[in-house]
Amino acid sequence: SYVLTQPPSVSVAPGQTARITCGGNNIGIKSVHWYQQKPGQAPVLVVHDDSDRPSGIPERFSGSNSRNTATLSISMVEAGDEADYYCQMWDSSSDHYWMFGGGTKLTVL
Amino acid sequence: HLQLQESGPGLVKPSETLSLTCTVSDGSVRSSSYYWGWIRQPPGKGLEWIGSIYYTGNTFYNPSLKSRVTMSVDTSKSQFSLKVKSVTAADTAVYYCAREPSSSDGFDYWGQGTLVTVSS
Repeated sequence: SYVLTQPPSVSVAPGQTARITCGGNNIGIKSVHWYQQKPGQAPVLVVHDDSDRPSGIPERFSGSNSRNTATLSISMVEAGDEADYYCQMWDSSSDHYWMFGGGTKLTVL
Repeated sequence: HLQLQESGPGLVKPSETLSLTCTVSDGSVRSSSYYWGWIRQPPGKGLEWIGSIYYTGNTFYNPSLKSRVTMSVDTSKSQFSLKVKSVTAADTAVYYCAREPSSSDGFDYWGQGTLVTVSS
């Protein structure tokens, strides 16, 4: 079965750019979505369809997807960006089957 | 501003059935533009999609849970529901309901989540 692989943790200093990856076989041909989840809160969609931002999400959040890796980039990282981040994909080989990556804890140093 | 609210028992005994309802504030459960999903998160772990339902009642379940899960929708009450039968401690989790645009753009609105503990 298809697997989405994320690094367990990423650390970055304030003001730098954080890059969180989501690996999968030929993931570049699929649409990937990204969620931010802060402790005790529901996830929030921050990027959809690889690189689109929902209304209200800062431009600092961006995404890309190519070949076997999708990437969420957060520029000018702030303390408030510290959270867990999850990638998500629709497994089109099944009839309506959502998959999540294992999640990445972003730590702002 | 759309709101989704989960409701149901916070404690379920092993082997019994977990039942949750999600109430959608704006009545859009009957819209053809959305699916409605359930996602769960065991304590300290990641997200797991349980299933989604369309206003017509068409359902789509995670294959790993399909044998134990039933979802239903009541458009007159603007609600959709989840049942998981034969629960074990492994079903202990925060359960979220969420809206899923039919264009498959992810889940754009989520409820606050409700913790369900399976214990005797």
